Amino acid sequence: SQTIHQWPATLVQPVGSPLSLECTVEGTSNPNLYWYRQAAGRGLQLLFYSVGIGQISSEVPQNLSASRPQDRQFILSSKKLLLSDSGFYLCAWQGMRTSSPLHFGNGTRLTVT
Amino acid sequence: SQQGEEDPQALSIQEGENATMNCSYKTSINNLQWYRQNSGRGLVHLILIRSNEREKHSGRLRVTLDTSKKSSSLLITASRAADTASYFCATDRVQAGTALIFGKGTTLSVSS
Repeated sequence: SQTIHQWPATLVQPVGSPLSLECTVEGTSNPNLYWYRQAAGRGLQLLFYSVGIGQISSEVPQNLSASRPQDRQFILSSKKLLLSDSGFYLCAWQGMRTSSPLHFGNGTRLTVT
Repeated sequence: SQQGEEDPQALSIQEGENATMNCSYKTSINNLQWYRQNSGRGLVHLILIRSNEREKHSGRLRVTLDTSKKSSSLLITASRAADTASYFCATDRVQAGTALIFGKGTTLSVSS
């Protein structure tokens, strides 16, 4: 069966520090991968999605970046965090069909202080 | 960019009552999906309805889709306290491939 791992679960970082959040998927090949951010009490904002290794689409220009070094690994990074980067970050994978549902990790709660 | 918008933003009902949530979207879609999120957790897929379908059922869930009005509704019948969660609709944009765009969600509270 397929599983998705996302870590860490919580993170407190000072403004200006770097960020690296990792997401890995097991039990499937060539998944579409997504990073979403959810502000407190708000909906999900699509940040990045990837349909293959090295293929990253950015939805919102900001100080975050994403990379997909391996088929089932998706990394969200920042060189310098801003206060506005605080939020709940969710990674998700999807099968290759456009009608496939998303499968989410348990999220990372990031607080930038 | 926000594609789907749910309403109401919040809904409080008693156990046994039905809960109806609505979703409107802006551009043509291939399909529409509904998800549930318990507080502080990831989202869980509930049901998918394709653009050529008008209604779909899954257990106590009933979803309708009106592409002419660009709207969908999610009905939960005979609600239970365990249905307390936030519910989101998500759409894929025909012109933009597979990326799913989520609405802001409806927070449902079911009291016993």
